[in-house]
Amino acid sequence: DQQVKQNSPSLSVQEGRISILNCDYTNSMFDYFLWYKKYPAEGPTFLISISSIKDKNEDGRFTVFLNKSAKHLSLHIVPSQPGDSAVYFCAARGLGAGTASKLTFGTGTRLQVTL
Amino acid sequence: DGGITQSPKYLFRKEGQNVTLSCEQNLNHDAMYWYRQDPGQGLRLIYYSQIVNDFQKGDIAEGYSVSREKKESFPLTVTSAQKNPTAFYLCASSIAQGLARETQYFGPGTRLLVL
Repeated sequence: DQQVKQNSPSLSVQEGRISILNCDYTNSMFDYFLWYKKYPAEGPTFLISISSIKDKNEDGRFTVFLNKSAKHLSLHIVPSQPGDSAVYFCAARGLGAGTASKLTFGTGTRLQVTL
Repeated sequence: DGGITQSPKYLFRKEGQNVTLSCEQNLNHDAMYWYRQDPGQGLRLIYYSQIVNDFQKGDIAEGYSVSREKKESFPLTVTSAQKNPTAFYLCASSIAQGLARETQYFGPGTRLLVL
């Protein structure tokens, strides 16, 4: 049962344009969401996060939007740069006993930024 | 430089052999985690530890064992009972379990291959 879904396995965007990566979740107990960026053969690096009490969080070129009623979040990268080419994972964290410290990851979206 | 180190980068296992993956952190984090990544899939939680001498099973703990004798170290043993061990193994740590906004930080990973 995939509780966090990234339905687009890949995305190609021209340099300078906006990249939009999407993530859907099914568990209403998730209360905190994170985006990680991963290069091949390396560990994921934390990018940006958002709490369910917010609908938007911005950090430089990266903005995450959360639509809690739709159980949907998205990561916007603008402008996209070639160095942004990587796999992006969406992760969700549950609250409560037994789930407070567990992240559930999506399957990732491979972003390619072309010149 | 604070961070998480994993060794070795590549590890080869023979049939029926137990192998141990190392994970060390100098971030003074209380919590540590082990994940497994398979091609085209997200990260799946194997084991996690909140404090020294305590650890809990994650979603796919069968065939694995861990120990947490020191705060800085959380080694993972892949036993012969793990029938499909070939994967990329990632270790992570975070400040403390149970905090709603905590972020997990990852090491560079170990790729395990079966001969």
